[in-house]
Amino acid sequence: GESVGLHLPTLSVQEGDNSIINCAYSNSASDYFIWYKQESGKGPQFIIDIRSNMDKRQGQRVTVLLNKTVKHLSLQIAATQPGDSAVYFCAEKVDSSASKIIFGSGTRLSIRP
Amino acid sequence: NAGVTQTPKFQVLKTGQSMTLQCAQDMNHEYMSWYRQDPGMGLRLIHYSVGAGITDQGEVPNGYNVSRSTTEDFPLRLLSAAPSQTSVYFCASSIRPSNQPQHFGDGTRLSIL
Repeated sequence: GESVGLHLPTLSVQEGDNSIINCAYSNSASDYFIWYKQESGKGPQFIIDIRSNMDKRQGQRVTVLLNKTVKHLSLQIAATQPGDSAVYFCAEKVDSSASKIIFGSGTRLSIRP
Repeated sequence: NAGVTQTPKFQVLKTGQSMTLQCAQDMNHEYMSWYRQDPGMGLRLIHYSVGAGITDQGEVPNGYNVSRSTTEDFPLRLLSAAPSQTSVYFCASSIRPSNQPQHFGDGTRLSIL
């Protein structure tokens, strides 16, 4: 099976509960942030994004919150389902004049039935 | 519409050998990038390109070369493979990285013996 993510921090959530995954980003000049979901053996899949001129953005069952004061990003998943089991990564565009998209270390989300 | 296609899916090399990982996208995206993902870690940016003829280094460029002669293709070359380059390699593309998420391929799993 896929060996990626063996040592990642794990969040265990009861099915139906809400999940909150946190991410601390590195650069105060970062102006664009993205959350990705990665299932075993696959490439990262886009979930939701947010620009630095916003504090909150909502999608279908997901919400991203951005706190620029403490350089913190969170992903909230409502009514967590078994299909949400995956590794979640935040990514940031680290410089408004450059094009580098840098990933955080990731969190594994595990769903309890 | 195939999206981002990476070949090969699996490869085993001996130390010192060279090879090219292929990446092609059919979405007319200007921006393309290469990441590597090691167990227990997030994705680390190797090289990226903002358009044909333009490439730049990411976080971990040593030991890798890239070129971008067309919008569609962005090959990654390992010059002299080392065991430390054993990893899963992902290629990604986007219209523009400033406010659009990247689309990822399914990865190339590379082992260096």
